[in-house]
Amino acid sequence: LAKTTQPISMDSYEGQEVNITCSHNNIATNDYITWYQQFPSQGPRFIIQGYKTKVTNEVASLFIPADRKSSTLSLPRVSLSDTAVYYCLVGDGAGGSYIPTFGRGTSLIVHP
Amino acid sequence: GAVVSQHPSRVICKSGTSVKIECRSLDFQATTMFWYRQFPKQSLMLMATSNEGSKATYEQGVEKDKFLINHASLTLSTLTVTSAHPEDSSFYICSARDGGARFGEQYFGPGTRLTVT
Repeated sequence: LAKTTQPISMDSYEGQEVNITCSHNNIATNDYITWYQQFPSQGPRFIIQGYKTKVTNEVASLFIPADRKSSTLSLPRVSLSDTAVYYCLVGDGAGGSYIPTFGRGTSLIVHP
Repeated sequence: GAVVSQHPSRVICKSGTSVKIECRSLDFQATTMFWYRQFPKQSLMLMATSNEGSKATYEQGVEKDKFLINHASLTLSTLTVTSAHPEDSSFYICSARDGGARFGEQYFGPGTRLTVT
């Protein structure tokens, strides 16, 4: 099971772009990278998922270098409501034995 | 998108009693469901994995006789905390894997706050 490492916390200001990097040196060939957002007293919410290069959706972008040993979640123009904990998970979601395991996550605080 | 519900959202019980938490996948069939526990300012800790129609697989350190998990159908899993004690007070979250999705997408429930007095 690929272990992930993220910064424990980050601070930003409204309107700025925030990049959160996750290291996953032991990522396997079939593994995908998935990012979740969690607000206090709520379940995690899916943000974005990718395998390689770049993926973009309406809320974020995910950059994955060629070696796939890390990934960067990019949040454009953050607002106060983006204050949350962000988790990076790595695994073969289509595999029957995949168990989503959470690391410590990154606590993002957006300041006015 | 797919929705997973949990019931109740909050529960307060007395020490020594049992509490049942339901997790339902509302618009997909969940071949596998996971139960997590989360203490304040900590990450989600996996408690057990349940597959429909079979016994749950518990993580090391989780008492299977205390945390009873039943996955009786493809849309419902239940977690029963038996003989609850104050140290069982926590935020319990379930997730469900969409068995029909291409990448086996996981969807999380909103969580259940358990307080044992």
